[in-house]
This record gives sequence, structure tokens and C-alpha cells, in this order.
Amino acid sequence: IVLTQSPGTLSLSPGDRATLSCRASQWVSTSFVAWYQQKPGQAPRLLIYETSSRAAGIPDRFSGSGSGTDFTLTISSLEPEDFGMFFCQKYGTSPLFGQGTKLEIK
Amino acid sequence: QLVESGGGLVQPGGSLRLSCEASGFAFDSYGMSWVRQAPGKGLEYVSGITGVGGTTDYADSVKGRFTVSRDNFKNTLFLQMNSLKIEDTAVYFCARMVSRNWGLLGHWGQGTLVTVSS
Repeated sequence: IVLTQSPGTLSLSPGDRATLSCRASQWVSTSFVAWYQQKPGQAPRLLIYETSSRAAGIPDRFSGSGSGTDFTLTISSLEPEDFGMFFCQKYGTSPLFGQGTKLEIK
Repeated sequence: QLVESGGGLVQPGGSLRLSCEASGFAFDSYGMSWVRQAPGKGLEYVSGITGVGGTTDYADSVKGRFTVSRDNFKNTLFLQMNSLKIEDTAVYFCARMVSRNWGLLGHWGQGTLVTVSS
């Protein structure tokens, strides 16, 4: 399985809505899709698991959706601290990550 | 808390052993993983191990060269890296799995840098 994220870079302003895509080369159960955020010089942080469940402490402006081969992370209204790299992941057997989407301030 | 150590500069073909000291939780109750990130690149899952150490997995890129282990008495996770290649250069993160979800990583250390170069 290969996870392909798009776009590579997303340039938006605070207050905008962000939509990040993750496409799998084969069907993936919704039970095993996660999203992480990583800021420069920091470790990744788990945002979403099981496609749409928010991890502890994650604001409700972050939401996940999708099924089959297409999964989406949506940030409803961008805050300044939301910018950084975002990675989707298939976990369970043979975990793997997508190549990432950079969300930058426009 | 997870604190990695053991990174550094090593020549191609050399070996290095990374450690990850855990605190603040019941270490033997959680699966643990190593994930790496080459400079300016994305995340790559490297290896995982169950709480009692009975089951492990490895990425194809490191299989046969890397060995994950743990000492639950010392609350420490290890990654023995042999036959290192230039492409193994990366920051290596240890991470704790979310209970019963293999590879879902809820807590991460800050990473240790491994540089493979002659």
C-alpha cells in the first residue's frame, strides 16, 4: 500500500478552511487511518485516529473523514498555531505514512 | 515522557545502539515503536515491539539489519542498528503505541539524530 497526500503545499490564511487529502493505493479500513501534525524541530502529534476520532486535547476545528481509498483532514478555521506539516498514516499491520502536506501561512 | 539517546556519527557499515528511556507510565503495558525522519523528508515507520517483547515488526528497509528490544525492568526501549547505510541518516523517534492499536502512536520522544557518513 502507498499513501499519497495532496496537495504537497497548501498556502492559506488564518480563518481559512483547510482540506488535506490522503489517497491509498488499496482499500484501507477506516479503523486504521490516522493524522499527525508536526511543527519544525518538534516531534509529531497525533490529531485523528480511526479516520474521524480526535485524540485527547485536539480542538474540534480538526475533523477527519473518508473511506475506502480516500481520506480527508479538515481544519474548519485556521489558527496561527495550526501551520506545519501533516502526515496521514495507515496503522495496524505494516504501518506506513504518507509523504506529508505542508500547510503554510499565505 | 520518552527520552532518546545514542545517536551520533557513524561510518557506513558501522553499528549504533539507540535507547529510549520511558517514565510516567506503565512501560510494560504498551507497545513501542521507532520512527525515523531523514533530513527534510517525511516519516518512516521503522520497527515496533509489543509490551512484553514477544512480537516485533520491521520495515523492509531495515529488516535483517536492525533489532528492536526492550528492558521492562529499566523502562527502556532499544534499537540495535547494524550494517548502517548512508540512507539510514535520520532523526530517530521512539513513540508509544495507543493501547491495542498497533502502530498508532500517541506519545513521542524528541528524537535522536543518526548520521551515517564517511
